[in-house]
Amino acid sequence: DIQMTQSPSSLSASVGDRVTITCRASQTIANYLNWYQQKPGKAPKSLIFGVSNLQNWVPSRFSGSGSGTDFTLTISSLQPEDFATYYCQQSYSLPRTFGQGTTVEVK
Amino acid sequence: QVQLQESGPGLVKPSGTLSLTCAVSGFSIGDNHWWGWVRQSPGKGLEWIGETSHSGSTNYNPSLQSRLTISVDTSKNHFSLHLTSLTAADTAVYYCARKMTFAFDIWGQGTVVTVSS
Repeated sequence: DIQMTQSPSSLSASVGDRVTITCRASQTIANYLNWYQQKPGKAPKSLIFGVSNLQNWVPSRFSGSGSGTDFTLTISSLQPEDFATYYCQQSYSLPRTFGQGTTVEVK
Repeated sequence: QVQLQESGPGLVKPSGTLSLTCAVSGFSIGDNHWWGWVRQSPGKGLEWIGETSHSGSTNYNPSLQSRLTISVDTSKNHFSLHLTSLTAADTAVYYCARKMTFAFDIWGQGTVVTVSS
């Protein structure tokens, strides 16, 4: 199985901050990297697919980058509705594993 | 718009079988996409369970494969999960989702399943 490791596991930030979350795969996954946002008690919501492609409901302050084994999710200016847990997922091979999650908390 | 809705029992006994259905509306399940299941144990992260194509091809998590069946019924526009030999470790919120391009783009709201006697 490909292991997906996110860092940090949690971070504290303020509205307006630039936030970066990293995701590292245990082997190359080409561009088969997706990001999800989950709020407490809610289903995950797809943010980005294929490293950098935003779903059409996602605001442009979100962006994704990377290749091979190292990837990042960036929120350029954190908004109140962005406090949540973020998961990366690889869809390169089976089983399609998720990272352990990064919780963005209010500073 | 596309909506997915899970249904099934909230409580299942140990050693029993879990059967969940995901009803799809606003989109034909036969339109060449994959459909999957993901679960989340209390306070934990997301675990990919498996997925089915519109034609019934399947991919399963090896950790569950011996106990798992995922099937699709295009006439009812739904797909299903059957998981046997349940233990407390199977207690989780179970989500169904549509797979578009690489990712699960549309998710159901989730259904809580508790394994307990």
